[in-house]
Amino acid sequence: ETGVTQTPRHLVMGMTNKKSLKCEQHLGHNAMYWYKQSAKKPLELMFVYSLEERVENNSVPSRFSPECPNSSHLFLHLHTLQPEDSALYLCASSQDNSGSGANVLTFGAGSRLTVL
Amino acid sequence: AQKITQTQPGMFVQEKEAVTLDCTYDTSDQSYGLFWYKQPSSGEMIFLIYQGSYDEQNATEGRYSLNFQKARKSANLVISASQLGDSAMYFCAMNDWRGNNRLAFGKGNQVVVIP
Repeated sequence: ETGVTQTPRHLVMGMTNKKSLKCEQHLGHNAMYWYKQSAKKPLELMFVYSLEERVENNSVPSRFSPECPNSSHLFLHLHTLQPEDSALYLCASSQDNSGSGANVLTFGAGSRLTVL
Repeated sequence: AQKITQTQPGMFVQEKEAVTLDCTYDTSDQSYGLFWYKQPSSGEMIFLIYQGSYDEQNATEGRYSLNFQKARKSANLVISASQLGDSAMYFCAMNDWRGNNRLAFGKGNQVVVIP
């Protein structure tokens, strides 16, 4: 496979469930990202991992827990979510050369999450 | 902090015609990059084109060109010879080279190409 792959594509969960979103990149990139896309709002950056270390957490509630076991895989663990967390969650990767200009992100197709 | 503004309502464009999508940005930095992404109904964000703030020529990639007007802080996307497959949401984004290089996105423009 090539590019960035996200699973599952669709997920419905109750507020008391625990689930995980998975992201895998086959591009040899050194940075991975989680974004949240809600209706009528710009994409919101949630977490950034660079060289498998979390380098950014944009005030995301603790019910979202990221994990990056290696440079190719990124998870988003979900527990006790709220209905307002329903959104499209996009994973992306890049070759992060901070300060050098073009940091082109390659995105996956997203995981559509519905919290009941 | 950077801010991206995309205010056009949804657009209908005739197949084979050109369409311009507006994007204005606000930053106090001199070094930054501007990006356009396309998001079809499948959900995947697809990178289209990039313009660096110091690039003197407008970027072009196939049917996509970026009309960069630095003094006006605008980075409009022009799609020439529209195709049915161009129907999608289009997002303008920018990053700050001296900062953490993270992309900030606008709210997007909806484009529907009609035959």
